[in-house]
Amino acid sequence: AQTIHQWPVAEIKAVGSPLSLGCTIKGKSSPNLYWYWQATGGTLQQLFYSITVGQVESVVQLNLSASRPKDDQFILSTEKLLLSHSGFYLCAWNRDRETLYFGSGTRLTVL
Amino acid sequence: GDSVTQTEGQVALSEEDFLTIHCNYSASGYPTLFWYVQYPGEGPQLLFRASRDKEKGSSRGFEATYDKGTTSFHLRKASVQESDSAVYYCALSGVDSNYQLIWGSGTKLIIKP
Repeated sequence: AQTIHQWPVAEIKAVGSPLSLGCTIKGKSSPNLYWYWQATGGTLQQLFYSITVGQVESVVQLNLSASRPKDDQFILSTEKLLLSHSGFYLCAWNRDRETLYFGSGTRLTVL
Repeated sequence: GDSVTQTEGQVALSEEDFLTIHCNYSASGYPTLFWYVQYPGEGPQLLFRASRDKEKGSSRGFEATYDKGTTSFHLRKASVQESDSAVYYCALSGVDSNYQLIWGSGTKLIIKP
């Protein structure tokens, strides 16, 4: 069975500090990987997707970047956090553009 | 471009009430349509999907029928329970989706005990 693990579960960070969020997929080779962002009480906004190692496409950047260093790993980062980065970050995967399967998310609070 | 419209931002019902959440879409051809449910503090999870006209998706007592004629995929449940309280999202994957699901704005379902 496939499992998706996101880390950390929650973060409280200062404005201007760096950020790195991670996501690992186990049990599925060569998945498509996605990062989503959700403001508190808001809808889902796709940020990035990757269909293969080393290749990442941006949908909406929001002063964030993403990388896929390994087949099963997807990283979201920024060197300088903004207040507007607060929210819920979700990693997801699928195969062949079918059903998306989401992780349990990371709650980010920027102060 | 493709779009999904959910007209209800919030629905408040009592237990055993009938639920309808409306979803209308705009897309060419036959997109795949999804209903997802998101509980507080969790990621969305698939309820069900449908890919053909008149196809009915169902899960956990929820159901929706793909209607190409009215471009709709309304979510229904005959008798809601308190445990159904969550946010429900309609989404579509179009023929030219380019790895993007198009999401509705979500409907928060509140069940009063």
